[in-house]
Amino acid sequence: QKEVEQNSGPLSVPEGAIASLNCTYSDRGSQSFFWYRQYSGKSPELIMFIYSNGDKEDGRFTAQLNKASQYVSLLIRDSQPSDSATYLCAAPRGNQGGKLIFGQGTELSVKP
Amino acid sequence: DGGITQSPKYLFRKEGQNVTLSCEQNLNHDAMYWYRQDPGQGLRLIYYSQIVNDFQKGDIAEGYSVSREKKESFPLTVTSAQKNPTAFYLCASSIVLGGELFFGEGSRLTVL
Repeated sequence: QKEVEQNSGPLSVPEGAIASLNCTYSDRGSQSFFWYRQYSGKSPELIMFIYSNGDKEDGRFTAQLNKASQYVSLLIRDSQPSDSATYLCAAPRGNQGGKLIFGQGTELSVKP
Repeated sequence: DGGITQSPKYLFRKEGQNVTLSCEQNLNHDAMYWYRQDPGQGLRLIYYSQIVNDFQKGDIAEGYSVSREKKESFPLTVTSAQKNPTAFYLCASSIVLGGELFFGEGSRLTVL
């Protein structure tokens, strides 16, 4: 089992719809989780981080964390073509000093 | 402006040659990292450093070497021992290990 796993996609949604991106992790010691957005050919940029069970909202983005199920998700409301990118989920490797381990990323395409 | 500067952005290398990728940060961060990204893949950790004169291997350290002589600088050398060095290399830093990562713009290495 991969430490951090995401569906690679591509995920295609129409403009204005809700995009749902999912991530599972294997290390129960992980305490915080990060979502990065990466445009093609560019470096990743942080969108959200979450460390408490439940939801965290920031504008059109909502991160959801369920530690019992070892599941974290990112919802993008009112998706825009500019949201088309690869979304990377990351979690610290809890028992080895907290280095961030990344999933393989989910490619999102928002169609006008 | 504070940030991370990587150079060069693009680099071509002949097989059998060593190359060094530069990474400089002025964020006053203690932790620095090198990740490798292959097409359609997530980020894989090569090396990381928590403090000056100390660094640790990540998941794919074979064929790479690093140094951390100054807090601001964390250069990566891709040696001829690296079997498949063509990739996108990302340098990052964080205030503490496991915290939010700030990325440089990346260096794209192509072996001819």
